[in-house]
Amino acid sequence: KQEVTQIPAALSVPEGENLVLNCSFTDSAIYNLQWFRQDPGKGLTSLLLIQSSQREQTSGRLNASLDKSSGRSTLYIAASQPGDSATYLCALQSSNDYKLSFGAGTTVTVRA
Amino acid sequence: GAGVSQTPSNKVTEKGKYVELRCDPISGHTALYWYRQSLGQGPEFLIYFQGTGAADDSGLPNDRFFAVRPEGSVSTLKIQRTERGDSAVYLCASSFSQGGLKYFGPGTRLTVT
Repeated sequence: KQEVTQIPAALSVPEGENLVLNCSFTDSAIYNLQWFRQDPGKGLTSLLLIQSSQREQTSGRLNASLDKSSGRSTLYIAASQPGDSATYLCALQSSNDYKLSFGAGTTVTVRA
Repeated sequence: GAGVSQTPSNKVTEKGKYVELRCDPISGHTALYWYRQSLGQGPEFLIYFQGTGAADDSGLPNDRFFAVRPEGSVSTLKIQRTERGDSAVYLCASSFSQGGLKYFGPGTRLTVT
């Protein structure tokens, strides 16, 4: 069974600092990895999708990398803003499955 | 276009009652998923539909939980004899294909008193 871990569970940074969010997983036979944002009391907003054959994806200030051999993905958010405050979740779809296995998330607070 | 919608957004019910939660996926998405998220946790898989059929219901916790998708579009998650432990946010997601980008709805927050 795929186990997904996100460390740290919470992170507080001053505005303008770059954010680095980590996601580790136990089974490298993945189909894709998706990063989501969740605001309090809200659903999930997809940020980036990385296919198994890709090493990274970029969208604006966001960049996500994938290293299957080490079982890690990292989400970088450049020049953080208070509006980036949210919980960020990574989710993996295994090669032989269609379900997403989620980490518990990292709650980010960007202080103005 | 419209995203995934879920109704109601909040549902409070008494222990032992029956509830139905509705999900309207993005038009044209054949794959539909239900997840459950407890406080401070990531979502956990409940059931997956491909078209009208439940391709995988292995995540349903017990036989009090049932879901349907009769016409391959709207889905309803049904919970009988609700228990306090069923309190959670129930999320629905859809995708064009099972390997594609998954779009989540805003969720239904279920509280069983």
